[in-house]
Amino acid sequence: DGGITQSPKYLFRKEGQNVTLSCEQNLNHDAMYWYRQDPGQGLRLIYYSQIVNDFQKGDIAEGYSVSREKKESFPLTVTSAQKNPTAFYLCASSTRGLAGGQGEQFFGPGTRLTVL
Amino acid sequence: QKEVEQNSGPLSVPEGAIASLNCTYSDRGSQSFFWYRQYSGKSPELIMSIYSNGDKEDGRFTAQLNKASQYVSLLIRDSQPSDSATYLCAVYTGRRALTFGSGTRLQVQP
Repeated sequence: DGGITQSPKYLFRKEGQNVTLSCEQNLNHDAMYWYRQDPGQGLRLIYYSQIVNDFQKGDIAEGYSVSREKKESFPLTVTSAQKNPTAFYLCASSTRGLAGGQGEQFFGPGTRLTVL
Repeated sequence: QKEVEQNSGPLSVPEGAIASLNCTYSDRGSQSFFWYRQYSGKSPELIMSIYSNGDKEDGRFTAQLNKASQYVSLLIRDSQPSDSATYLCAVYTGRRALTFGSGTRLQVQP
């Protein structure tokens, strides 16, 4: 089955720890994204990558880091510098749309991170 | 002004009625428009995409786009209790990634 997988589903972090969230897609999409969603809030863009070995900061990149060494994978590290990391983290990927723009974007099932 | 605005709701409709969800956007250069459904505790699911003015129908769902007035809407016919969810409007302006509204919560009363 084609799709986007995220692991783990639930993650608990102690203060001062770095943790890495996994995101893999087998849809052959060039672009991948990380969003954060807080309770009752919309989606906020953390990082995005339009091609392998290239990524750009989104609106709330401070305290996060990413890598894009393979087309299929876009892991997100939540560092100890992120002061309030408890949230629902969503990975997404998208097709290339009309005139090179963005086509349809699909989401993985998400990782719920809680700081203890 | 937010780039993508939605009424947070809740929008309450009786079972079998038409639910009408609206979204306005600020960037006139916006190119692509999407509606997502998000159940509580789950990730967003793409239900409709629309790229040109007019209506696009898919089953019980119709997306309507009016670029001159800068709004996009989603109609859900014959609403079912299983349609109760938060509906997110997303717009691609050509800059980076999709910009999402904060969502409208829909409640379908049996």
